[in-house]
Amino acid sequence: EAQVTQNPRYLITVTGKKLTVTCSQNMNHEYMSWYRQDPGLGLRQIYYSMNVEVTDKGDVPEGYKVSRKEKRNFPLILESPSPNQTSLYFCASSYGKGNTGELFFGEGSRLTVL
Amino acid sequence: KQEVTQIPAALSVPEGENLVLNCSFTDSAIYNLQWFRQDPGKGLTSLLLIQSSQREQTSGRLNASLDKSSGRSTLYIAASQPGDSATYLCAVRFQGGSEKLVFGKGTKLTVNP
Repeated sequence: EAQVTQNPRYLITVTGKKLTVTCSQNMNHEYMSWYRQDPGLGLRQIYYSMNVEVTDKGDVPEGYKVSRKEKRNFPLILESPSPNQTSLYFCASSYGKGNTGELFFGEGSRLTVL
Repeated sequence: KQEVTQIPAALSVPEGENLVLNCSFTDSAIYNLQWFRQDPGKGLTSLLLIQSSQREQTSGRLNASLDKSSGRSTLYIAASQPGDSATYLCAVRFQGGSEKLVFGKGTKLTVNP
């Protein structure tokens, strides 16, 4: 089954404790992206990747890092999480360049930073 | 600034009614527009993708139209059902610069039995 898989789905952590949210897709998509969703603000792009070893900032990249060492994986790293990073996070992928492909989303990862 | 707006923010209709959800965007230079459905606590499910060269797309009871010149898209849902209750999001991929997909804030649809 074609899918985008995120882990963990739920996480409660404390300020400053590094964490990684993994994202994996099995559709051989070139394009992958991370979003956060907050009440009243909607979905905002954090980082995106056009292909292996190619990443770029979205609208709200501060406090986050990403890497794209393999085509299928695009982890989101919070080096020193803060309470304002409490949010619902989504990973997405699409075929080809992002400008044409249909975007597929993971189920989301709800993160709480205390 | 490239923005996407969805009005109304919420809509409640009786079962069986045909309805239209609206999406407007500020720049006509787009690659494509995609409609999603989001159930509470869940991820986004893609409903329809319209490329900039297309005028409409259909899938079952859903029909999405695109008018680039006026910066508008509509999602038409025929014979609505309680199972259609969800938040519907419109997302636009604008040309130029980053590969950014800009989302509207969604319309929360409730279909009452």
